[in-house]
Amino acid sequence: DVKVTQSSRYLVKRTGEKVFLECVQDMDHENMFWYRQDPGLGLRLIYFSYDVKMKEKGDIPEGYSVSREKKERFSLILESASTNQTSMYLCASSEDSLNSPLHFGNGTRLTVT
Amino acid sequence: GDSVTQMEGPVTLSEEAFLTINCTYTATGYPSLFWYVQYPGEGLQLLLKATKADDKGSNKGFEATYRKETTSFHLEKGSVQVSDSAVYFCALSAPLNKLIFGTGTLLAVQP
Repeated sequence: DVKVTQSSRYLVKRTGEKVFLECVQDMDHENMFWYRQDPGLGLRLIYFSYDVKMKEKGDIPEGYSVSREKKERFSLILESASTNQTSMYLCASSEDSLNSPLHFGNGTRLTVT
Repeated sequence: GDSVTQMEGPVTLSEEAFLTINCTYTATGYPSLFWYVQYPGEGLQLLLKATKADDKGSNKGFEATYRKETTSFHLEKGSVQVSDSAVYFCALSAPLNKLIFGTGTLLAVQP
């Protein structure tokens, strides 16, 4: 079974802090994704990566950056956290073949105060 | 751009009732369509998919048919159980294996 592990289940940070959300997958998947989930808005793609050191902006990249130094790890960085970044963050991975399903982690609920 | 529209929830049903959750899409090409389910406290997991028109995806008693003429992919189940209580997301495929998700529909099944 594919396992996608997000390092924290809950995080509370202060406005202006630099925040790192970590995600690790154990199935050698090429593609990795970061989504945020908000009530009434569903899932929105922040960034994705289809190879080590490669990254592409999603629909809402502003205020975020990412890092993928190793194939199994994809980090989401909030350079200066703001209250409007309070959300549930979901990491996912998939194989690099057409219509491969996304495998999700359990999410990190981030609260910025 | 491409998008997915789902019926708003919550949908509240009694056990053994028939379920329909509506999903329609807008797409310029010929996307694949998916239903994902999110149980409380968990991430999303794939429930079923269909990759071309008239395909029917099915899993765990759930079904959905890819209807190109009505641009729809409605989720159905003949007899729901309390354990089906979850949030259901319709999604369509985009380039580079990205997915575009709907807003999700909360299903609550009462015993």
